Amino acid sequence: GNSVTQMEGPVTLSEEAFLTINCTYTATGYPSLFWYVQYPGEGLQLLLKATKADDKGSNKGFEATYRKETTSFHLEKGSVQVSDSAVYFCALKIQGGSEKLVFGKGTKLTVNP
Amino acid sequence: DSGVTQTPKHLITATGQRVTLRCSPRSGDLSVYWYQQSLDQGLQFLIQYYNGEERAKGNILERFSAQQFPDLHSELNLSSLELGDSALYFCASSEGVAGGGLQFFGPGTRLTVL
Repeated sequence: GNSVTQMEGPVTLSEEAFLTINCTYTATGYPSLFWYVQYPGEGLQLLLKATKADDKGSNKGFEATYRKETTSFHLEKGSVQVSDSAVYFCALKIQGGSEKLVFGKGTKLTVNP
Repeated sequence: DSGVTQTPKHLITATGQRVTLRCSPRSGDLSVYWYQQSLDQGLQFLIQYYNGEERAKGNILERFSAQQFPDLHSELNLSSLELGDSALYFCASSEGVAGGGLQFFGPGTRLTVL
């Protein structure tokens, strides 16, 4: 089946530290890959996406590269801010298949000043 | 603001009761999706409607049902509620049934079953 595995959290970093949140996937078809972010008390917001191998999605200083050979889509940011504190979800959707999103468990990030 | 609205924001009820959650999609979006977020199961897809018709079903219990009305708003009905149904229920909408339309999420309805 289709599934997403994220690194276990929580992750606690100091401001300006480098962030990596690992995400790997298994898919029966060709997936599109997404990172969503959930700030405290809010819904999910799309952070970035990639639809084909070697694509790099980027937004607000965050980046993730679609690696088909390693079935990965790791999220990175060079210098985190306190305002980045949130829960991050990796997700996939099979192209040409059901439109449903399959999510990882989420990784809680706390950034301390 | 995603443009997707959900009501109510919070709902507290007792076991055995029935509740209705409402979702209004973004203007122009024809697809509506329902997801459940719980501590043990994470974020799980429940059901999708496209222009009034059911399109896909996920891990939705038989006690739960949904529909999409002609004005495209959707309702998720949860009946014979159990403690384990306590969760955050999200609605999302997208343009269409195929073509890679991005899903935009509402703020969610937090259901507490006592």
